[in-house]
Amino acid sequence: DVVMTQSPLSLPVTLGQPASISCRSSQSLVYVDGNIYLDWFQQRPGQSPRRLIYKVSNRDSGVPDRFSGSGSGTDFTLKISRVEAEDVGVYYCMEGTNWPWTFGQGTRVEIK
Amino acid sequence: QVQLVQSGAEVKKPGASVKVSCKASGYSFTGNYIHWVRQAPGQGLEWMGRINPNSGGTNYAQKFLGRVTLTRDTSISTAYMELSSLNSDDTAFYYCARGRSYDLSGGWGQGTLVTVSS
Repeated sequence: DVVMTQSPLSLPVTLGQPASISCRSSQSLVYVDGNIYLDWFQQRPGQSPRRLIYKVSNRDSGVPDRFSGSGSGTDFTLKISRVEAEDVGVYYCMEGTNWPWTFGQGTRVEIK
Repeated sequence: QVQLVQSGAEVKKPGASVKVSCKASGYSFTGNYIHWVRQAPGQGLEWMGRINPNSGGTNYAQKFLGRVTLTRDTSISTAYMELSSLNSDDTAFYYCARGRSYDLSGGWGQGTLVTVSS
C-alpha cells in the first residue's frame, strides 16, 4: 500500500495567519490517464469528513478560496491563506491513484 | 438535498458480525458508488471498499478481504456493510460516502459507532 506521510501532525495557528500542511507519498500518484488523484479532506470536531480539494488543486463547490492545493509527483501541500476559527479540525490527504486508497495520518489545526 | 443516513450505534462481542446500513436520498442511488471508510476513536481514516449500486460490483481493501461484505438494496436506496469475526481493533466509526469509482466526491453519512467488547 502507498504510505501517505503528513507534516506537521499538529499545527497551532494564530487567527488570520497562513497555514501550510505537507503530504508526501511513498510512490508516484500519477495515474495512467495522466491525472493525479490526490485529495484533501477536512474533519471538524464531531463531524464527518468533507472533501475540500480534489486532483491536487481543484476546490470543491462551497469551499472558501482561502484553501488551495498544490504539488506534483510525490509532494503535495494544502495551504490556508488566512486561518479562521471555523478551520479548526483535522486535515487528511488521500491518494486515489493506487489500490487501495490510503489516507495520511492527519494534521490537527488549532488556534493559538 | 443529498443525504446519507446511517443506522445507529452497535455493541458486539468478539467473534460476532455487524451489519451497518446507509440509506441514500436526494439523488439517483444507482448513479454513484458507495464507499466505506472507518475511523478508530481518535485515529485516522481507513478506506475499506466500495460498491457500485447499479451492478452490485464490489472492491475491497486487501486488509478486509474475507471479512467484509458490501451489498445494496436498490428498491430502498440502501447500502450495507457487514463485517465479521469482530475483534477489539474493529471498534471504530464506520462511514459511508458517496462518490465515483475514482473519488469520494459526494458527501458522507453521519457515521456509525461499532464497539466490540466482551
